[in-house]
Amino acid sequence: KQEVTQIPAALSVPEGENLVLNCSFTDSAIYNLQWFRQDPGKGLTSLLLIQSSQREQTSGRLNASLDKSSGRSTLYIAASQPGDSATYLCAVATGANNLFFGTGTRLTVIP
Amino acid sequence: GAVVSQHPSRVICKSGTSVKIECRSLDFQATTMFWYRQFPKQSLMLMATSNEGSKATYEQGVEKDKFLINHASLTLSTLTVTSAHPEDSSFYICSASWNLRGGAYIDEQFFGPGTRLTVL
Repeated sequence: KQEVTQIPAALSVPEGENLVLNCSFTDSAIYNLQWFRQDPGKGLTSLLLIQSSQREQTSGRLNASLDKSSGRSTLYIAASQPGDSATYLCAVATGANNLFFGTGTRLTVIP
Repeated sequence: GAVVSQHPSRVICKSGTSVKIECRSLDFQATTMFWYRQFPKQSLMLMATSNEGSKATYEQGVEKDKFLINHASLTLSTLTVTSAHPEDSSFYICSASWNLRGGAYIDEQFFGPGTRLTVL
């Protein structure tokens, strides 16, 4: 069974810093990997989706990389802002109907 | 595009009552809908997968008689928590995906905003 781990569990940084969130998964036979943002008490906002054949995806200040062979993905956030404070979830798809979530990294950006 | 809504967003009920949560795809036809549960400070755990017009497939450890799922149309799935108890208090999130013409699945699920259930 696919297991997804996210490190660190919580992260606090001053505004303006660049930061990296880590995600690792145990089975490299994946369909795609997706990063989500979740605000307290809210649903999920999709940030980036990387297909298994891709190495990275970029959207604005966000860049996600995927190394399938080592079972790792990183989410890089440039020039962090207080509005980036949220929980970031990594999810790995092993098929259209199988999505495995990590436990998330709770990010706090201090003004 | 690909908007999914849930209703209600928050519900408080007494122990022993049943609660129905609706999940709707607003701008697409969802051939498959998924129901997840998220306990505080934990990640999302898949409860069941439902395809329009057929019975839901439940994950191991999820009681199908307690969590009734109906996917009656391509835009609506409902989750009914029967005889709810305090341990059922959780955040329930649905997601939806669709089957493109030609048989190719979109490899992405679109998530609703979630429903916070509190059972007293």
